[in-house]
Order: sequence, then structure tokens, then C-alpha cells
Amino acid sequence: NAGVTQTPKFQVLKTGQSMTLQCAQDMNHEYMSWYRQDPGMGLRLIHYSVGAGITDQGEVPNGYNVSRSTTEDFPLRLLSAAPSQTSVYFCASSYSTGSQWGGEAFFGQGTRLTVV
Amino acid sequence: GNSVTQMEGPVTLSEEAFLTINCTYTATGYPSLFWYVQYPGEGLQLLLKATKADDKGSNKGFEATYRKETTSFHLEKGSVQVSDSAVYFCALSGGTGGFKTIFGAGTRLFVKA
Repeated sequence: NAGVTQTPKFQVLKTGQSMTLQCAQDMNHEYMSWYRQDPGMGLRLIHYSVGAGITDQGEVPNGYNVSRSTTEDFPLRLLSAAPSQTSVYFCASSYSTGSQWGGEAFFGQGTRLTVV
Repeated sequence: GNSVTQMEGPVTLSEEAFLTINCTYTATGYPSLFWYVQYPGEGLQLLLKATKADDKGSNKGFEATYRKETTSFHLEKGSVQVSDSAVYFCALSGGTGGFKTIFGAGTRLFVKA
């Protein structure tokens, strides 16, 4: 069972370049999200989706786009990379627990991105 | 909005010492509470969870009790091992905050042999 798969694991970009971080899950989870992890700041939510065709902004959405055309896939696009986007990025999926959300999140292995 | 506050690290302990990592939360409704662990170079993985007040989550010798009266979910372990060295995140999800998982800043634990 693959769970949540992220690619690539490492990436170096030049300022101004664009790229897409891929995320796929095989658990049929409704909810998917992208976080960035920076030292001393925990995980900050970038964008999230509650199902195919539905996305919304999190805490730090500027400079990033997402789409959710299928339940399985949730790619994150960096439009014009900046050094401030150097970080570790995690994709996660989770599920509802009946009448309200609250299921645990399942994480990918992360993408370490450096923008020079 | 919902938030999670956990004690700052790093925490350094000797093997077999008792561990407590404090976590308090602010939330409306009845969220689920979680502890996640991150080992070096890896993603986060669920350590334990509790879905309602007075529930105790436990796994691998770690425990935490959902205390609604003190809005706390402190992580404890009676005897830590070197292999427990990692970063620990307290988190919540659900309640009126919906599906979003909100994380604390993380606490790094070092265990010395």
C-alpha cells in the first residue's frame, strides 16, 4: 500500500523558474493538503482541497497554485520561485470521521526545495 | 481560530528518563487531538490520537490524555530510548475548525545513551 507519494524528493531551482511538486494518494481520502516546514515554525498550511474540483487557500498561499482534477492527485505549482520558498514541502491526506472531520493525516516523505 | 501551543525545545534526556512534552490547544467544538513524530529525513507519522474528552491515546510506550477542562494533551513516556530521538508535533483537527489539521511548532527530543 503506497499511501501518499511525493515527487521529487530533492530539487534545486533558480530564482524565477517554475515547477510542479507532485502528490498522489491511493487511500481514496477526500481531504488533501500541502504544508511547508521551516525551522522553528512547525508546519504551515499552503493550500488544501476537500474533494475533486474544490481547492482553497491556507495560511501561506502566495506564490503557489494548486488544482484537484481527481481524488488521487493534488499537485503544487510554484509560479516563479523565490529564495523565500526554500523549504521542505509535505503533502498530506485525511478523511472525515462521520459527522465531522477529525481523521488523522497521512504524510508523504517530503520534497526538499532549494531556490538559489 | 484554532491553535496549538507546545513547549519549546530542544529537550535533552538521558536514556530511561521520564519524558513530558506539554501541549495546550484553543478550539471550538470537539476536535480530535494528535501527536505526530518526525524522524530525521522523513515525513510525519501518527504516534497517537484521542477523539473525545478523557480519552487516552497510547502507542509504543507513549501516552497522552485529552483534558478538556485544561485544554491540554501532554505527551508522556516513562522511560525514553535513544531511538525516541525525533521531533514531536501536537496537532488538532475537526470540531468547528473542520478538516484542517493545525500543528504546534514541534519539540525536538534528543536522548543520550
